[in-house]
Amino acid sequence: EAGVAQSPRYKIIEKRQSVAFWCNPISGHATLYWYQQILGQGPKLLIQFQNNGVVDDSQLPKDRFSAERLKGVDSTLKIQPAKLEDSAVYLCASSLALGSLGTQYFGPGTRLLVL
Amino acid sequence: AQTVTQSQPEMSVQEAETVTLSCTYDTSENNYYLFWYKQPPSRQMILVIRQEAYKQQNATENRFSVNFQKAAKSFSLKISDSQLGDTAMYFCAFIFPTGTASKLTFGTGTRLQVTL
Repeated sequence: EAGVAQSPRYKIIEKRQSVAFWCNPISGHATLYWYQQILGQGPKLLIQFQNNGVVDDSQLPKDRFSAERLKGVDSTLKIQPAKLEDSAVYLCASSLALGSLGTQYFGPGTRLLVL
Repeated sequence: AQTVTQSQPEMSVQEAETVTLSCTYDTSENNYYLFWYKQPPSRQMILVIRQEAYKQQNATENRFSVNFQKAAKSFSLKISDSQLGDTAMYFCAFIFPTGTASKLTFGTGTRLQVTL
């Protein structure tokens, strides 16, 4: 079974530029998550999708971050404009269960450096 | 609010020895799940072990086992016969049901170094 795929693996941009990350969850997984992991910290949830609907985006900085999962499969996370403090690893995860207790499987992450 | 605390930023253990990583959490919920995730230097987060709060029996997965003390809100991970490949960041995480929404709350992690 293929795991969660993410691209790109690394990205370096200057502040005020825009950037987009892509995630392909495990086939059949209804729930998709985006996490931000700042160096030295645990991951923090940014947004959760169930199929193509948002169920929790309470910690997403909506003035600069946006995410979509139009067909209920792939998802993109965008930052525009980027700030220095956005430097982090962005992790995508997916889970099978529609309920809230399904084990989450993580992708390799996208490491973003904002200069 | 739910919080997860890992009080050991770094630990070291010799190969073949046993090490225990500590985790405490705070919640008013009665039904929840606890996890230990491993994040090797390549940064892919891997599930190590999972414990349902309603189960009294401690979960085990080969060399990995937990000591779950619900009343004390403690969830430690024991790694037996440590191997070089166990070198990684270990995160304790907590989740409780809120309808369709769910959020893993992670601790700050413990960096484990396995040495020869």
